[in-house]
Amino acid sequence: DGGITQSPKYLFRKEGQNVTLSCEQNLNHDAMYWYRQDPGQGLRLIYYSQIVNDFQKGDIAEGYSVSREKKESFPLTVTSAQKNPTAFYLCASMHRATDTQYFGPGTRLTVL
Amino acid sequence: RKEVEQDPGPFNVPEGATVAFNCTYSNSASQSFFWYRQDCRKEPKLLMSVYSSGNEDGRFTAQLNRASQYISLLIRDSKLSDSATYLCVVIRMEYGNKLVFGAGTILRVKS
Repeated sequence: DGGITQSPKYLFRKEGQNVTLSCEQNLNHDAMYWYRQDPGQGLRLIYYSQIVNDFQKGDIAEGYSVSREKKESFPLTVTSAQKNPTAFYLCASMHRATDTQYFGPGTRLTVL
Repeated sequence: RKEVEQDPGPFNVPEGATVAFNCTYSNSASQSFFWYRQDCRKEPKLLMSVYSSGNEDGRFTAQLNRASQYISLLIRDSKLSDSATYLCVVIRMEYGNKLVFGAGTILRVKS
């Protein structure tokens, strides 16, 4: 089946630790995106990538880092510099012809 | 002011009711518009694109008013399964065609 997968579904982290969230897609989409969602708020863009080996900061990139070494993969690292990392993290890829984004199931990160 | 604004609701309606949501956007250069649906603790899923001429998909009708910069979604004959949060989404036209999401409108359909 074609789609976007994210792992893990739930992640617990101690303060001061870096963690990496996985995002993989087999839709052959060039563009991939990372968002975070907090209760009662819309999705906010963290980073995005239009092609392999290229990525751009979104609206709230501080404390995060990404890489795009393969078309299928766009992992997100939440660093210890991120002051309030507890959130629901969503990865998406975009079909260029329709500007439509498709989302993975998300990762819920909780900092203990 | 937020770039995309929605009434958060909740809208509590009985089964079979017709309900309408509005969404306003501030960037007049926005070119593409969508409605997504998000169930509790799940990822957003595309409900429908919104075209200038308006478009319909079964019980759902979307309208775009560029002059007033608002988008609407009409749901007829509401079902219990329509209960969800409805997200208004606008494409910000710059490198990467970034999507800007409203915070969502909560719909609760009750029997």
